[in-house]
This record gives sequence, structure tokens and C-alpha cells, in this order.
Amino acid sequence: AQSVTQPDIHITVSEGASLELRCNYSYGATPYLFWYVQSPGQGLQLLLKYFSGDTLVQGIKGFEAEFKRSQSSFNLRKPSVHWSDAAEYFCAVASYNQGGKLIFGQGTELSVKP
Amino acid sequence: GAVVSQHPSRVICKSGTSVKIECRSLDFQATTMFWYRQFPKQSLMLMATSNEGSKATYEQGVEKDKFLINHASLTLSTLTVTSAHPEDSSFYICSAREGDRGSSYNSPLHFGNGTRLTVT
Repeated sequence: AQSVTQPDIHITVSEGASLELRCNYSYGATPYLFWYVQSPGQGLQLLLKYFSGDTLVQGIKGFEAEFKRSQSSFNLRKPSVHWSDAAEYFCAVASYNQGGKLIFGQGTELSVKP
Repeated sequence: GAVVSQHPSRVICKSGTSVKIECRSLDFQATTMFWYRQFPKQSLMLMATSNEGSKATYEQGVEKDKFLINHASLTLSTLTVTSAHPEDSSFYICSAREGDRGSSYNSPLHFGNGTRLTVT
């Protein structure tokens, strides 16, 4: 069965510093991977997704992620963090069938220091 | 862009009562909708997959008689928490996938803003 692991529960970075959030997946075939962001008490917003092709994908708000099959990873990066980026970030993998249901990782809470 | 409306955003109910949560796709048809449950500081746990015109598919460990899901139209799915208890208090989020039956991972998926359920 597919699964997603986000090793870091909470990360704090200084505003302007670079950011990398880790995501590892377990899936029997080519995975279809997503990163979502959630503000407190809100739904989820899609940052970016990987289906195929270029392994470095660009998303909204200046985020990017790189798919590395050899490491079973799909880490999210941003070169310079803004205070408004403070939120919960979820990595997810989609199944081929069953309506493409998403399985989420545990989430990483990002705090930004001034 | 496509929007999913989830209502109510917050609800407080007494133990033993039932609560209905609606999930509507406002400008697209969604043959498949998903219901998730999220505890504080935790991830989203898939409860069930709702397919228009057919029975929902529940994940292992989810009580289908307690969490009734109805997907009677292409734009509306409802989750009813029956005989609610304090342990049912949680944040419930729906998502809707654009497209026809059989749409899969590469069809756009849109999330509602969630419903905070508190059972007293």
C-alpha cells in the first residue's frame, strides 16, 4: 500500500532563509505526488504536483519540489521564506484508481522567525 | 477557478444528536468526492470515497453506520454523523474531483474549507 512520511513534525526558519521540507513515499509504481499547504482552521491549497516529465516542478508562491526516484523523495523547497509562509504543509500521493484518492503524510508545521 | 463549498464551517451539537455536513462543487461536476477527518495537529485521514449514484467506499476502521455518506447528485455529497459523541469532535474536510466516473489522479481535485464539529 502506498504511504507518505514527513520526518519533520515542526520546523522553524528565519524570514529570508531557505527552506526544505522532506517527504518520502512508498509506492509500487511511478508515484503521483503533491504538496499542499493548510492555514489554521482552513482547507488545503495545492502548491504543486508531479505526474511525469521534468523531475523539478515549480509551484505557486515561489515553491518548487524535486522528485528523486532513487531516494523515494519529493522534497519541497523555497529559496527565501516569507512570514506569510507559516502554515502546515502536507505531502500526498495519489492512487491510480479508486477515484485517485490521496494519502497524506503526517504534515510539517512551519514557523517563521522575524 | 473551481470552488468547493463546505457547510457549515462550524457546528456545535449535543451528544446523541446527528449532524449533517454538505459538500458542494459550485462550478463543476464531481462524480467522486472524498471525506477526510483531521484531529488537531495531525494529518488528514481518509474516511471514505463517495461516488455519485452509488454507495460510498469506506476506509478500514470507519463505521459506515455512524458516518453516513450520500452523493445523490453530481454537485453534492453529504456526511451525516449519527448519534454524535464527544470523540467525534474533529475537523472534517471534503474534496471533489472534477470529471466523469473513472477520473483518477490526474483530474483536478479541489478541497472545501472544512467543518469544525464540536460535540458537547
